[in-house]
Amino acid sequence: KQEVTQIPAALSVPEGENLVLNCSFTDSAIYNLQWFRQDPGKGLTSLLLIQSSQREQTSGRLNASLDKSSGRSTLYIAASQPGDSATYLCAVIMDTGRRALTFGSGTRLQVQP
Amino acid sequence: DAGVIQSPRHEVTEMGQEVTLRCKPISGHNSLFWYRQTMMRGLELLIYFNNNVPIDDSGMPEDRFSAKMPNASFSTLKIQPSEPRDSAVYFCASSFGTGPYNEQFFGPGTRLTVL
Repeated sequence: KQEVTQIPAALSVPEGENLVLNCSFTDSAIYNLQWFRQDPGKGLTSLLLIQSSQREQTSGRLNASLDKSSGRSTLYIAASQPGDSATYLCAVIMDTGRRALTFGSGTRLQVQP
Repeated sequence: DAGVIQSPRHEVTEMGQEVTLRCKPISGHNSLFWYRQTMMRGLELLIYFNNNVPIDDSGMPEDRFSAKMPNASFSTLKIQPSEPRDSAVYFCASSFGTGPYNEQFFGPGTRLTVL
């Protein structure tokens, strides 16, 4: 059974810092990996999707990398801002035909002004 | 685009009552997913549909839960009878197909409290 782990569970940084959020998964036979942002009491916002054959995706200040063979992905946030404060979730879809996302428990990020 | 629409946003009910949650996917999307989020278990898939047909309902906890998708623009998740342990946030998500580049887009969720 696929397990997705995110470390750290919580992170507090001063504004302007570059930071890295980590995601690991136990079964490397993934179809794709998606990073989401969740604000308190709100739904999930899709940030980036990396298909299994890709190595990275970029959107603005965000860069997500994928090392499928080692079961790891990182989300890099450049020049963090207070508005980046949220919980960041990674999720994978297995390459088994089942299109359900398996989620990690998230990293709660606080960017201090 | 209005995004995925869910109603109600909040529901408080008493144990034993029937609860119906509603979802309107993004226009043109043909895959729809129901997830549940709790503090203990995080986000888990309940069921998903492709072209209005249920494909995988292995996450539906028990017979008290049922889901339907009568057409491409509407789905319901029903709990009957409801129990306190069903209290959670229920999310609906949709995607255009289920290919490797197809992102799932989530609605705002329905926060269910069963007293």
